[in-house]
Amino acid sequence: GENVEQHPSTLSVQEGDSAVIKCTYSDSASNYFPWYKQELGKRPQLIIDIRSNVGEKKDQRIAVTLNKTAKHFSLHITETQPEDSAVYFCAASKDWNSGYALNFGKGTSLLVTP
Amino acid sequence: GAVVSQHPSWVICKSGTSVKIECRSLDFQATTMFWYRQFPKQSLMLMATSNEGSKATYEQGVEKDKFLINHASLTLSTLTVTSAHPEDSSFYICSARDGGASGRPTGELFFGEGSRLTVL
Repeated sequence: GENVEQHPSTLSVQEGDSAVIKCTYSDSASNYFPWYKQELGKRPQLIIDIRSNVGEKKDQRIAVTLNKTAKHFSLHITETQPEDSAVYFCAASKDWNSGYALNFGKGTSLLVTP
Repeated sequence: GAVVSQHPSWVICKSGTSVKIECRSLDFQATTMFWYRQFPKQSLMLMATSNEGSKATYEQGVEKDKFLINHASLTLSTLTVTSAHPEDSSFYICSARDGGASGRPTGELFFGEGSRLTVL
């Protein structure tokens, strides 16, 4: 099955700095790559996603890049704020539109210090 | 966003008893629901994929007789942990895909609040 590796496991940045989280996947058939944010004690929530026909997607301070050849994708958060502190999970799925499940990375605990 | 409700949010039971967790999509029809297990400070481990009206598809290593999944309607899936033991203590979280009839983009995955199970 799909194996998703995520790095780093913890990341501490100063407020205003950028944060980058990287993921790799094993199944070249994967075509849907969402990122979820989970605050302490809360449910994961989708923050951005990208499909395999796109190389980059941006939504305000958040961007995701995808390199299909290398089978890796990254989350970029610019101008970080303390409220960005949370655990971030990357995920991958093949044939998402047909109902295949998401396989998650192990998560990155991001701490943004004022 | 869409609402997925999970109940109970926490449960404590004695070893050997069975516990049922419900997952409901409140404002959309979910043809597919997923059950995950999350250990402290760890990732979401997929347990099974539940499709309405058919048998669940379990991931390797997940005992189907231990974790019974039923998806009887487009808005409800249940996970029953049978004969629970302390090692089954964990955070179980369901998720549901919006099938698209709601008008929202098809396929977005929404999570329930999770259920923390403690087996004594």
